[in-house]
Amino acid sequence: GENVEQHPSTLSVQEGDSAVIKCTYSDSASNYFPWYKQELGKRPQLIIDIRSNVGEKKDQRIAVTLNKTAKHFSLHITETQPEDSAVYFCAAKEDQAGTALIFGKGTTLSVSS
Amino acid sequence: EAGVAQSPRYKIIEKRQSVAFWCNPISGHATLYWYQQILGQGPKLLIQFQNNGVVDDSQLPKDRFSAERLKGVDSTLKIQPAKLEDSAVYLCASSRSGGVAFFGQGTRLTVV
Repeated sequence: GENVEQHPSTLSVQEGDSAVIKCTYSDSASNYFPWYKQELGKRPQLIIDIRSNVGEKKDQRIAVTLNKTAKHFSLHITETQPEDSAVYFCAAKEDQAGTALIFGKGTTLSVSS
Repeated sequence: EAGVAQSPRYKIIEKRQSVAFWCNPISGHATLYWYQQILGQGPKLLIQFQNNGVVDDSQLPKDRFSAERLKGVDSTLKIQPAKLEDSAVYLCASSRSGGVAFFGQGTRLTVV
């Protein structure tokens, strides 16, 4: 089955800096890669996702890149703000009915002002 | 669009007791998932339903956990008897037949 590795487990940056979180996956059949943000005590919320027919996707200050050959994908946050502080999870699955997201262990991002 | 609803939000029980969690998915979402999230870890899939049928329950500890989705809408997850290591947040999520998954607020279970 699918296995997703995520690193680093913790990341501390200064406000305005960029943050990068990396994930690798094992199942070459996976073709859908979402990123979720989870604030303390709250539900995981989808912030961006990418499918394997594209290599990069941007949404304002966040972007995700995908290298299908190497089986890794990354989340990039630019101009970080204190409200970006949260736990970020990557996940992977085959994009069809009957499959479920497999999550990484999460990265705790702390943005200090 | 209303989100995924879960109840209760918090539950404290003693080991060996039983507990049940309830989930109401987003209207029209055929796929429902239960995840277990232990503190400091990512969500781990317990069971996946497509309408009222089980698609994947390979990670569900079937000696103590059970789940049902009788009418293809609401779902309940039960633990009986609970162990200390079951302390976690139980997250329900739903999607349109495998698409983007939306999560509920979760139920935080503490077993003492």
